Amino acid sequence: SQTIHQWPATLVQPVGSPLSLECTVEGTSNPNLYWYRQAAGRGLQLLFYSVGIGQISSEVPQNLSASRPQDRQFILSSKKLLLSDSGFYLCAWSVRGGREQYFGPGTRLTVT
Amino acid sequence: AQKITQTQPGMFVQEKEAVTLDCTYDTSDQSYGLFWYKQPSSGEMIFLIYQGSYDEQNATEGRYSLNFQKARKSANLVISASQLGDSAMYFCAMRDWYSSASKIIFGSGTRLSIRP
Repeated sequence: SQTIHQWPATLVQPVGSPLSLECTVEGTSNPNLYWYRQAAGRGLQLLFYSVGIGQISSEVPQNLSASRPQDRQFILSSKKLLLSDSGFYLCAWSVRGGREQYFGPGTRLTVT
Repeated sequence: AQKITQTQPGMFVQEKEAVTLDCTYDTSDQSYGLFWYKQPSSGEMIFLIYQGSYDEQNATEGRYSLNFQKARKSANLVISASQLGDSAMYFCAMRDWYSSASKIIFGSGTRLSIRP
């Protein structure tokens, strides 16, 4: 069966520090991968998606970036965090051309 | 552009009662898919139910059913015989059918609280 992992689960970082969040999927090949951010009490905002290794599409302008160095690995990064980057970050995957997306457990990021 | 609207920020329901969560959508596409996800306090997003725009029957999954009214562009979630474990955030979502990346847009959510 397929599983999706995210780490770390929680993170507290000072403003201006770098960020690296990792997401990995097991039990499937060639998945579509997604990064979402959820502000407190709000809905999900799609940040990035990827349909293959090295292929990244950005949905909103920001100081975050994403990379997909391996088929089942998706990384969210920042060189310098802002207070507004605080939130709950969710990674998700779907089958190519598939219907629903399957979500990881999320990373709660607090920028202080 | 596609849009999902959930007008109920929060709802309180007595245990064992049925509850309807509202969702309206806007799209110019003829083909699309509609979802409901549940988000408990732990944060994970749990897929509940799916309705395709060409599906003639309303989707059902156990205690969950989707009241799909295409002409009104509404896709309300009905939970029968609510349980304490149903307390969570619920998100309505729509799939961009023509996107090779299967992108999904989400509504702002409804927080459902079940009273014992």
